[in-house]
Order: sequence, then C-alpha cells, then structure tokens
Amino acid sequence: DAGITQSPRYKITETGRQVTLMCHQTWSHSYMFWYRQDLGHGLRLIYYSAAADITDKGEVPDGYVVSRSKTENFPLTLESATRSQTSVYFCASNSLRTGELFFGEGSRLTVL
Amino acid sequence: AQSVTQPDIHITVSEGASLELRCNYSYGATPYLFWYVQSPGQGLQLLLKYFSGDTLVQGIKGFEAEFKRSQSSFNLRKPSVHWSDAAEYFCAVGAGGGGADGLTFGKGTHLIIQP
Repeated sequence: DAGITQSPRYKITETGRQVTLMCHQTWSHSYMFWYRQDLGHGLRLIYYSAAADITDKGEVPDGYVVSRSKTENFPLTLESATRSQTSVYFCASNSLRTGELFFGEGSRLTVL
Repeated sequence: AQSVTQPDIHITVSEGASLELRCNYSYGATPYLFWYVQSPGQGLQLLLKYFSGDTLVQGIKGFEAEFKRSQSSFNLRKPSVHWSDAAEYFCAVGAGGGGADGLTFGKGTHLIIQP
C-alpha cells in the first residue's frame, strides 16, 4: 500500500547510545520531514530534505543527523542519545502541489 | 516568521453539542491553512485545507473551517460532535506548493467529549 512507514514504532535506549529511526515513503514525494512532538510544544521541525542528498536544518536540529541517499528513505539518527530526546518522532512527506503533509504513525523513543 | 496560535489547550464539549476550535496565524503572504486531527497513538490526519477561493471549506468527518483574513483566523467547527471526535487538533500554516519549511503547527487543542 502507498504511504509512509516508520520503524521502530517503540524504542527504549540508554543515554549515550546511537539510535536510528527509519522512514520510508512510497509516493515519490520530493520533500520529507522529521518532527518531534512533546507536550506543551506541539510539533517542532527537526530536519527536512528537498530531494536525495539535499537536507537542511529545522527548528530543533541539535543532537540529530539525517541522510537521504534515496528519495524514498529519510532516516533520523541520534548519535548520542540524551534524556531530553525522549519524544514521539514523526516523519512526513509533502505534496508539491498542495503543501499538504502526510504523516507516518510515529516512533515513540524513550531515553533512560 | 510564521506562527500559529491555538489559544485553547483543552476544550470539553458534550456529545451532540456544537464545537468551535480557534486558530490564529501570522504569515507574511497568502497562507495555506490546514487542520489536522491526531487520535491517541496515531499520526496526524488531514481534516481540511484552505488555499484560495471560498472562505468556508468543508472537510472530512463533518468538519468545516472559515478563513477570515481580517482576523487572521481559521477556526474549525462542527455542528454536532460525536464521542469519536475526542482527539488532539492541530492548526497549521504554510506556503503551499511543497514549501521547503513544511508547515508551522500550533501547539494543539485537546478535545474531550462528555457523554
């Protein structure tokens, strides 16, 4: 089925460990985004990508790394996880025509 | 910089009653406006969107929203809520056309439905 999928859906890790959250979309949308969702802050943009090999920082990029070697994949890596990165992470892709964002179901990350 | 304000963090409505969720935006150009709904443990689903034309837009699940440029508002309404409408609602503004910045979201309004 067409859509956007994230994995893992749930992850528990420890401070200092590296974690990668995966995102895959089947629409061939050019733009992809990573948001984090926290109580009291709503959704905040971490990184986005306009196309393969083109990425740029969003509002809260510190502590995160992204890559986009293929149009359909946009992994998010926490190189050394901190407790403040405990959050729900959403990947999204963007219709060029309307700007509408299509979201994955989210990845809930807990850093102990 | 663009911004979205949803002044109500929580709203409680009785089942069958009408609903209005407020959204105010700040944007330098003609905005593309969206309302999304998020059920517990789920991603965000688009309810409706406004790009141009008729300022009253209809969406899914019986929702509608009205764009008022003079008030910089895009309030969401539903004439009669159902228990299944209990969720988090987000208003968002963007440039449209797949803008590089994606969308700017409000902090959300949590809707509680009383039986």
